Amino acid sequence: DTAVSQTPKYLVTQMGNDKSIKCEQNLGHDTMYWYKQDSKKFLKIMFSYNNKELIINETVPNRFSPKSPDKAHLNLHINSLELGDSAVYFCASSQDYYGDRGNYGYTFGSGTRLTVV
Amino acid sequence: LAKTTQPISMDSYEGQEVNITCSHNNIATNDYITWYQQFPSQGPRFIIQGYKTKVTNEVASLFIPADRKSSTLSLPRVSLSDTAVYYCLVGAGGYQKVTFGTGTKLQVIP
Repeated sequence: DTAVSQTPKYLVTQMGNDKSIKCEQNLGHDTMYWYKQDSKKFLKIMFSYNNKELIINETVPNRFSPKSPDKAHLNLHINSLELGDSAVYFCASSQDYYGDRGNYGYTFGSGTRLTVV
Repeated sequence: LAKTTQPISMDSYEGQEVNITCSHNNIATNDYITWYQQFPSQGPRFIIQGYKTKVTNEVASLFIPADRKSSTLSLPRVSLSDTAVYYCLVGAGGYQKVTFGTGTKLQVIP
């Protein structure tokens, strides 16, 4: 069983379209995250949810909207896609919102490579 | 938020011990130090975490000096499959906005 799974793995779309990426974790973790990894491999946090409540909302365009229907799911919806949105998006989870400490830190999904053309 | 500095890249031959050092001069009292490994087309994977002194698990060892301003990830007898990017992360979680550093790209040579 995949601990943190995200779909789709690849997403190619045209500028201006709206797309969603889904994420699910079966670890029973309370906190979920969205990270963006750009072409230079920098990993930057975008959002964090703890028990369905938004706790971190980094400075990202409001075209990006996370939604957490329950604590096992965190989806990312992106409106009016732009070329600069091309990146790999990672979903992650942690046992609680102390993702930086504790036994296992963050558990990441395998990523969604978004290409905007 | 403690900023981390790591070497951009390292090369090592198979079977050697590899030590990757991370500097975090402004680490806070509550901060932990965590290392992650990332293979191409995969998400980062937790390797090891520590607060002070030495921590060892089945994969690696983590050495942290008393002042905690740096840490060293030690990989014993690396193999080709250890070729990856290794990230050092410092923080105490909670509401901190955590950004991974540049990471160290380790290339293991046959």
